[in-house]
Amino acid sequence: GESVGLHLPTLSVQEGDNSIINCAYSNSASDYFIWYKQESGKGPQFIIDIRSNMDKRQGQRVTVLLNKTVKHLSLQIAATQPGDSAVYFCAENPPRNNLFFGTGTRLTVIP
Amino acid sequence: KAGVTQTPRYLIKTRGQQVTLSCSPISGHRSVSWYQQTPGQGLQFLFEYFSETQRNKGNFPGRFSGRQFSNSRSEMNVSTLELGDSALYLCASSLWTGGTGELFFGEGSRLTVL
Repeated sequence: GESVGLHLPTLSVQEGDNSIINCAYSNSASDYFIWYKQESGKGPQFIIDIRSNMDKRQGQRVTVLLNKTVKHLSLQIAATQPGDSAVYFCAENPPRNNLFFGTGTRLTVIP
Repeated sequence: KAGVTQTPRYLIKTRGQQVTLSCSPISGHRSVSWYQQTPGQGLQFLFEYFSETQRNKGNFPGRFSGRQFSNSRSEMNVSTLELGDSALYLCASSLWTGGTGELFFGEGSRLTVL
């Protein structure tokens, strides 16, 4: 399968600060990427996605950056709140294939 | 509309037994994918069903199998359970197959094998 890895398994940030979660993907042909958030006891929830013809996409308080040259994806969360504490997964989607997920980064927001 | 529903939410089995997990996708979704999630691991793709046909399969032994019914509901079965099968099994549905859109996940079935 594909290899989608994360640079840091855990990240702690102060409430109100910005968070950046990084992800490296392996398949240069992947053309669709998604970030998911998983809270304790729940299934992953969609946060934001980006297609390979874009390098940046913004949502509400979140921004995803895609650097295809180095096969790197990042999720930026502005003004991090306690409710943002969760495990975040990036996933890559090679053409005509299924999503491959990384191992996840645990984000802890310190009040 | 209702989300993805998985049953049972929790179950405990012993080695050698078999287990069947059920997933009801979002109404109108025809694709159902199954993932295994273990501590320290990401989500490992098991298989995907679309219109009652298995479209893709991950690198799991033949003890793991699944099927999809005409109403898009899906079941997965694990036979001859091993301790290492203890995991959270997640089901996800989408409108189309082949990862052409967002996956909507259920809350999972947590299997413990003793």
